[in-house]
Amino acid sequence: DSGVTQTPKHLITATGQRVTLRCSPRSGDLSVYWYQQSLDQGLQFLIQYYNGEERAKGNILERFSAQQFPDLHSELNLSSLELGDSALYFCASSARGDGVRETQYFGPGTRLLVL
Amino acid sequence: GDSVTQMEGPVTLSEEAFLTINCTYTATGYPSLFWYVQYPGEGLQLLLKATKADDKGSNKGFEATYRKETTSFHLEKGSVQVSDSAVYFCALSDYGGATNKLIFGTGTLLAVQP
Repeated sequence: DSGVTQTPKHLITATGQRVTLRCSPRSGDLSVYWYQQSLDQGLQFLIQYYNGEERAKGNILERFSAQQFPDLHSELNLSSLELGDSALYFCASSARGDGVRETQYFGPGTRLLVL
Repeated sequence: GDSVTQMEGPVTLSEEAFLTINCTYTATGYPSLFWYVQYPGEGLQLLLKATKADDKGSNKGFEATYRKETTSFHLEKGSVQVSDSAVYFCALSDYGGATNKLIFGTGTLLAVQP
């Protein structure tokens, strides 16, 4: 158990809909990262938050957005869903997020299926 | 940009066989290197890491040495078990600007047969 929790574990929805994925980082960790794992793109970094503020963006679509709240949990919002958004979405956390020697600890993921 | 290249899978071995999964990287700075493992139906778990050249990471019988001269971080295990069957991801973290995001290889599926 990494200490990172994600809800829900599974999500099935229809095209055009909007969903919210939730992540709670390990106790004391200030940085949260979101990654997408899909068959065609592999594991890709989406976005990072540090202590409530956006720190970096990766290959995140404009239809997707995220935020980190004062209690440090984070939410990833996916809107106008398309079939191609079906994937496993991981959240990870680290202590600070500003050093290469840090380890990122991953949650169990949320499996999204868009029908 | 930074990238990680892993050997294609699947790798199929018999129990107690020797395992090598190749990983090479391209990075502009001085990255840290990681191996993560994903067991069937589960999330990513950190297996081992190395933060500078010539460091050896080890855990659960797995080892990998950070080789700067060959830009490699190959994963090895002397005797695999059925329970090692999983997907293995090589990754790097190269702090650039404001983030230490991870860049992953494509993953290598390992299947160990009894």
